[in-house]
Amino acid sequence: DAGITQSPRYKITETGRQVTLMCHQTWSHSYMFWYRQDLGHGLRLIYYSAAADITDKGEVPDGYVVSRSKTENFPLTLESATRSQTSVYFCASSDEGGFRDEQFFGPGTRLTVL
Amino acid sequence: AQSVAQPEDQVNVAEGNPLTVKCTYSVSGNPYLFWYVQYPNRGLQFLLKYITGDNLVKGSYGFEAEFNKSQTSFHLKKPSALVSDSALYFCAVRDDTGFQKLVFGTGTRLLVSP
Repeated sequence: DAGITQSPRYKITETGRQVTLMCHQTWSHSYMFWYRQDLGHGLRLIYYSAAADITDKGEVPDGYVVSRSKTENFPLTLESATRSQTSVYFCASSDEGGFRDEQFFGPGTRLTVL
Repeated sequence: AQSVAQPEDQVNVAEGNPLTVKCTYSVSGNPYLFWYVQYPNRGLQFLLKYITGDNLVKGSYGFEAEFNKSQTSFHLKKPSALVSDSALYFCAVRDDTGFQKLVFGTGTRLLVSP
């Protein structure tokens, strides 16, 4: 399917477990982003990537790891999940303009950490 | 640091009436301003953006936004609301200096009644 997809859509895990959220886009966009959405905070940027093998921290990177070995994929890993990481996670992509351009969002992953 | 404020958690309007969703911003350089909409269980969708030029920006689905530099506002408007416009609306700002990430507001829920 064309566009940007995220998997899984829903995930329940336990404190201390490692969890990886997947993001895949078919547009060959240069930029990809990970956000978390929490009530009262809007969206906050976790990490972003300007191209394959180039990643950088966002506003709330602690406890998360990203990689981007291929342009189309941008997985987000929670190395040791904590309850405070219970959230809805959105992946997004944009073309060369990066933060100047519109971002295309995936459908989100709802993560619950027990 | 840049910031965005959406002073209303919810806006209620009757179908056919004009609607306004408010946004004010604070940046140190020239602002890049965006509006996104989120429907239930979906990712955000781009509505419109302001970079430079006309203060009235037209976007998708009949929405427009008015940029006011002196009041540092970027209010979203629509002349005639539809029930299908009911959703969560986010304003976002990008500063053209320093760390150029987008900062999102906390969102305003728009409820359009029949």
